[in-house]
Amino acid sequence: EAGVAQSPRYKIIEKRQSVAFWCNPISGHATLYWYQQILGQGPKLLIQFQNNGVVDDSQLPKDRFSAERLKGVDSTLKIQPAKLEDSAVYLCASSLGTGVNTDTQYFGPGTRLTVL
Amino acid sequence: GQSLEQPSEVTAVEGAIVQINCTYQTSGFYGLSWYQQHDGGAPTFLSYNALDGLEETGRFSSFLSRSDSYGYLLLQELQMKDSASYFCAVEGRGSTLGRLYFGRGTQLTVWP
Repeated sequence: EAGVAQSPRYKIIEKRQSVAFWCNPISGHATLYWYQQILGQGPKLLIQFQNNGVVDDSQLPKDRFSAERLKGVDSTLKIQPAKLEDSAVYLCASSLGTGVNTDTQYFGPGTRLTVL
Repeated sequence: GQSLEQPSEVTAVEGAIVQINCTYQTSGFYGLSWYQQHDGGAPTFLSYNALDGLEETGRFSSFLSRSDSYGYLLLQELQMKDSASYFCAVEGRGSTLGRLYFGRGTQLTVWP
């Protein structure tokens, strides 16, 4: 079974530039998550999708971050414009999302973003 | 809100047993998970406790005591490849079911 795919793996941009990350979850997984992991910290949830609908985006800085999952499969996360403090690893995770009980989340390798 | 505390670093030698503690303050949660993350790698699920008590999975065991707001991950027969960061995470319940709140992680170094 293929895992969660993310691209690019690394990205270096200057502040005020825009950047986009892509995630393809495990086939059949209805729930998709984007996390931000700053160096030395645990992952912090940015947004959670159930199929193509947003379940939770309370931690997403909506003035600069946006995410979509139009067809309920792959997803993109965009930052526009980027700030220095956005330097982090952006992790995508997916789970079955049955809603009955807890599901294991499977993480992708992440995109390491450096903002100069 | 959710707040989790873990030691920042733990060291041990190969073959030893190590316990990584996690204390938490939450407004309610469904279960406690543990994830392993090697440098530059993805977090990988290790163990989950929905109920109080011990869960054993091979060399790894996890424990939860809701009355003490405390859990731990026990790693036995340590191997060099166990050197990694370990995160505890509580899972929200109700409208936040599925949402994980992570601690800051514990860096485990295993020496030969």
